[in-house]
Amino acid sequence: NAGVTQTPKFQVLKTGQSMTLQCAQDMNHEYMSWYRQDPGMGLRLIHYSVGAGITDQGEVPNGYNVSRSTTEDFPLRLLSAAPSQTSVYFCASSYFGRGYEQYFGPGTRLTVT
Amino acid sequence: DAKTTQPPSMDCAEGRAANLPCNHSTISGNEYVYWYRQIHSQGPQYIIHGLKNNETNEMASLIITEDRKSSTLILPHATLRDTAVYYCIVRVAFGSGGSNYKLTFGKGTLLTVNP
Repeated sequence: NAGVTQTPKFQVLKTGQSMTLQCAQDMNHEYMSWYRQDPGMGLRLIHYSVGAGITDQGEVPNGYNVSRSTTEDFPLRLLSAAPSQTSVYFCASSYFGRGYEQYFGPGTRLTVT
Repeated sequence: DAKTTQPPSMDCAEGRAANLPCNHSTISGNEYVYWYRQIHSQGPQYIIHGLKNNETNEMASLIITEDRKSSTLILPHATLRDTAVYYCIVRVAFGSGGSNYKLTFGKGTLLTVNP
């Protein structure tokens, strides 16, 4: 198993540009989520999905869109990038229910100038 | 949501046991305690979790007090590769039927293992 993969690893955008951060998992996990991590802070939940076709907002959803057309993939879209979205983005997945650990991807470092 | 309190940093000598404390005095009866760690620039890594009994796996042991208001993560023989930020998280429920859970990450404890 490759686990949770994320692409790209690094990205620089200009303000107003759009892009999609890719996340894929091969563990047949129902639950997938996106977090962002800013310097000196813990991870904050952006969006999550409990299965294909089902998504919901986390703590900091503004400026981001997600979709879940398949179990394996959970892309995060930045529609109009802003400097405040400069961060490291982590995707995570897990089985459903209590007691199941979440597996995290290696992260995408995004800089918006 | 139950909050957790951890010391910002700790040091440990290589080969010795590292004991990382966590306070979660407002934990509810059906909330689990999870521990994750994040090695510099990498994604968080699951370590262990428990409800009320002590737990042990190949990475660590988790000791939860009887009143469940605090816990301790024990790395029995710390190595330099254990240097990381360790997060104590109480798992909360949200969404319909309480079947969806999120992980709320605080600032954690930076454990530095010294040679």
